[in-house]
Amino acid sequence: DAGITQSPRHKVTETGTPVTLRCHQTENHRYMYWYRQDPGHGLRLIHYSYGVKDTDKGEVSDGYSVSRSKTEDFLLTLESATSSQTSVYFCAISESGTSGDQSTDTQYFGPGTRLTVL
Amino acid sequence: DQQVKQNSPSLSVQEGRISILNCDYTNSMFDYFLWYKKYPAEGPTFLISISSIKDKNEDGRFTVFLNKSAKHLSLHIVPSQPGDSAVYFCAASAGGGSNYKLTFGKGTLLTVNP
Repeated sequence: DAGITQSPRHKVTETGTPVTLRCHQTENHRYMYWYRQDPGHGLRLIHYSYGVKDTDKGEVSDGYSVSRSKTEDFLLTLESATSSQTSVYFCAISESGTSGDQSTDTQYFGPGTRLTVL
Repeated sequence: DQQVKQNSPSLSVQEGRISILNCDYTNSMFDYFLWYKKYPAEGPTFLISISSIKDKNEDGRFTVFLNKSAKHLSLHIVPSQPGDSAVYFCAASAGGGSNYKLTFGKGTLLTVNP
């Protein structure tokens, strides 16, 4: 199993409070991703990082920010949590593999954080 | 606009029979496709992948078929086992220019009955 941990694993918070989720990897992979999973939506990309201090938005980035100051850590912050951000959050990592011109990159996922915003 | 579609929310099969999970995509730039399995309260686990230069990839009981002209892929599990009961996600990547971002389908819940 890829060395990916997420903390906390469960969190209950109130609307309007800031929340930070942490993803830690021991694989020294370049790419890290944050997804959320909601019923009827599969997994949707929030933000991703392609290197230290290099981040970009995914398809559902509104209300979220990220930071990556070290290769091994990728933080997801909800500046002011809302009930619509109640979800399960997954971190993923990848090495960005290619075979010639073909992508062969595989993402490996952490165990998830269940966040409830009341 | 859903670029990766898994049109069957659920599938039920008998133990020992074949399970076939289907996935359709619309983005012709996708060049790498993956299947993930997810148990409740766990993260998705990588199962098998296929590059667009191939039309079939096998790994034990799992085979993925890719039909580029139809923009369709399928995952075959033979024989199905009760431990295969999980949600299966199809995912696709458009390669280096997209920073390897994955687009996921909504998932199919597979139930294998003993």
